[in-house]
Amino acid sequence: DVKVTQSSRYLVKRTGEKVFLECVQDMDHENMFWYRQDPGLGLRLIYFSYDVKMKEKGDIPEGYSVSREKKERFSLILESASTNQTSMYLCASRPLPDMNTEAFFGQGTRLTVV
Amino acid sequence: AQTVTQSQPEMSVQEAETVTLSCTYDTSESDYYLFWYKQPPSRQMILVIRQEAYKQQNATENRFSVNFQKAAKSFSLKISDSQLGDAAMYFCAYGVSGSARQLTFGSGTQLTVLP
Repeated sequence: DVKVTQSSRYLVKRTGEKVFLECVQDMDHENMFWYRQDPGLGLRLIYFSYDVKMKEKGDIPEGYSVSREKKERFSLILESASTNQTSMYLCASRPLPDMNTEAFFGQGTRLTVV
Repeated sequence: AQTVTQSQPEMSVQEAETVTLSCTYDTSESDYYLFWYKQPPSRQMILVIRQEAYKQQNATENRFSVNFQKAAKSFSLKISDSQLGDAAMYFCAYGVSGSARQLTFGSGTQLTVLP
């Protein structure tokens, strides 16, 4: 089975802290994604990566950065956490840039910034 | 920009009955895919069903089927013989064929199944 693993299910951080959310996939997928999920807004794309060291902004990149040094790992970084970044964060991966392939999701990290 | 609209924030259905979840989308693309994902309380997103825009035939997966109306840009999900395990948040999603960019999601419909 394809597995996408996010390092934490729940995380509490203080305002101004630098926060790292880690995502690892075990199926050699080229594409990886970070979404933010908020009630009434669905999932919104923050950043995506289609290859090692390659990244592109999604719809809401402000306040976030990403890192992909290895194919299996995609990290989301909150440079200086703020309370409006309290949310559920979902990582996903997909093998090819072809919509016929299914995207696989991690179980989400619920981040609270206090 | 592509948008996906789910106008029903919450729905409920009696066990063993049928329910239809609505989804509309806006796009100028001709080659795209549509998806329904399910997110149970475990938070694990699960693909329920997928539809290629170039196919006229509606997709079916066991008790799940779609009504795809391309001209109307409508993509509804029908769940037949509803089961307690179907209770979840359902997201409609859209993606452009050949694009590395991931899916655009709707805001979700919370489905409750009543015993």
